[in-house]
Amino acid sequence: AQSVTQLDSHVSVSEGTPVLLRCNYSSSYSPSLFWYVQHPNKGLQLLLKYTSAATLVKGINGFEAEFKKSETSFHLTKPSAHMSDAAEYFCVVSDTNTGFQKLVFGTGTRLLVSP
Amino acid sequence: GAVVSQHPSRVICKSGTSVKIECRSLDFQATTMFWYRQFPKQSLMLMATSNEGSKATYEQGVEKDKFLINHASLTLSTLTVTSAHPEDSSFYICSANGLAGGPNEQFFGPGTRLTVL
Repeated sequence: AQSVTQLDSHVSVSEGTPVLLRCNYSSSYSPSLFWYVQHPNKGLQLLLKYTSAATLVKGINGFEAEFKKSETSFHLTKPSAHMSDAAEYFCVVSDTNTGFQKLVFGTGTRLLVSP
Repeated sequence: GAVVSQHPSRVICKSGTSVKIECRSLDFQATTMFWYRQFPKQSLMLMATSNEGSKATYEQGVEKDKFLINHASLTLSTLTVTSAHPEDSSFYICSANGLAGGPNEQFFGPGTRLTVL
């Protein structure tokens, strides 16, 4: 079974400093991995996705993530946090072997950005 | 493109009544739709997967007679919570997969907050 572990339930940063949200995955097959962001009372928005192409994936709003098979990690980073980045972030794994897969969500990391 | 809407965004009902939530793909045909629920400060849990014109596949532990799913067309799926109880209060989110994006990409609706009194 596929799973993801988000190592931090909360991450606090100051505006303008780097962001690191950690995610480790477990998958029997070559995984597809995603990061989604959820702002309060809004729908989930896809930040970026990895589907076995380039290991460094660039997403929207300056976010990027690197797929490291040897470490089974897919950490999300951003060089400089903005106040608008404060939200809940979900690391998600999908099994490419099953076509329409189920998406399995991590428990989420709440990013807090202080002025 | 690839917009998914949900209606209503918020609903309050009395215990014992039924509530219907609609999920629509606005600009693409959704061959598969998914329903999730999210409890406060928790992650999304998949409830069921539905393909147009066929019965939904429910995840283990989800009562199919309580959470009725209908996927009557390529742009509409409905979730009906029957005989709702306060423990059914949650945030319900749908997503859709289709020709928009890749086969692994799901597009999410904004969610429906259900409160059962």
